Amino acid sequence: GNSVTQMEGPVTLSEEAFLTINCTYTATGYPSLFWYVQYPGEGLQLLLKATKADDKGSNKGFEATYRKETTSFHLEKGSVQVSDSAVYFCALGQTGANNLFFGTGTRLTVIP
Amino acid sequence: EPEVTQTPSHQVTQMGQEVILRCVPISNHLYFYWYRQILGQKVEFLVSFYNNEISEKSEIFDDQFSVERPDGSNFTLKIRSTKLEDSAMYFCASSARQDPDTQYFGPGTRLTVL
Repeated sequence: GNSVTQMEGPVTLSEEAFLTINCTYTATGYPSLFWYVQYPGEGLQLLLKATKADDKGSNKGFEATYRKETTSFHLEKGSVQVSDSAVYFCALGQTGANNLFFGTGTRLTVIP
Repeated sequence: EPEVTQTPSHQVTQMGQEVILRCVPISNHLYFYWYRQILGQKVEFLVSFYNNEISEKSEIFDDQFSVERPDGSNFTLKIRSTKLEDSAMYFCASSARQDPDTQYFGPGTRLTVL
């Protein structure tokens, strides 16, 4: 079946620190992988995506590489800002299917 | 930038009452979805809708739930007789024909059942 396992939070970092949030998946076939972000009081926003192995998704300084050999899609950012404080969700979608499978979410707090 | 909108932002209801949650998907999108997130838990898929019919639904989406696209812009989720365990954040999403796998989410409706 399909599932996403995401690093447990919460994560607290100082401004300008390096961020990694781990995400691994189990899937049949060749899924697409996504990171969504939920800022306080807001809905889920698509942060980045990758649709095939070795693809790198990037946006707003965040990056994630689709690693088929390790079934991973870890989120990274070289230098976090206070405004990056949010909950980050890793998700998996199968081509031709309709639903996304989400991880549990990781709450990131960045302190000045 | 086009976005998915949802109303109301917060709905409080008594157990056993019917509620209708409303969504306006992005205007040129053809695929529509509902998800829910019980506090502290994962975001879970409920149902997808395409071409005026349900294309997929989860085990959660039982006979108490229904969806409708009553006009060219709205997409609704009805819960016929709410239960305490229906309390959750409900998210609507939509995706385009050219890229159906990429779903864009609304801000959610928080449903509280008392």
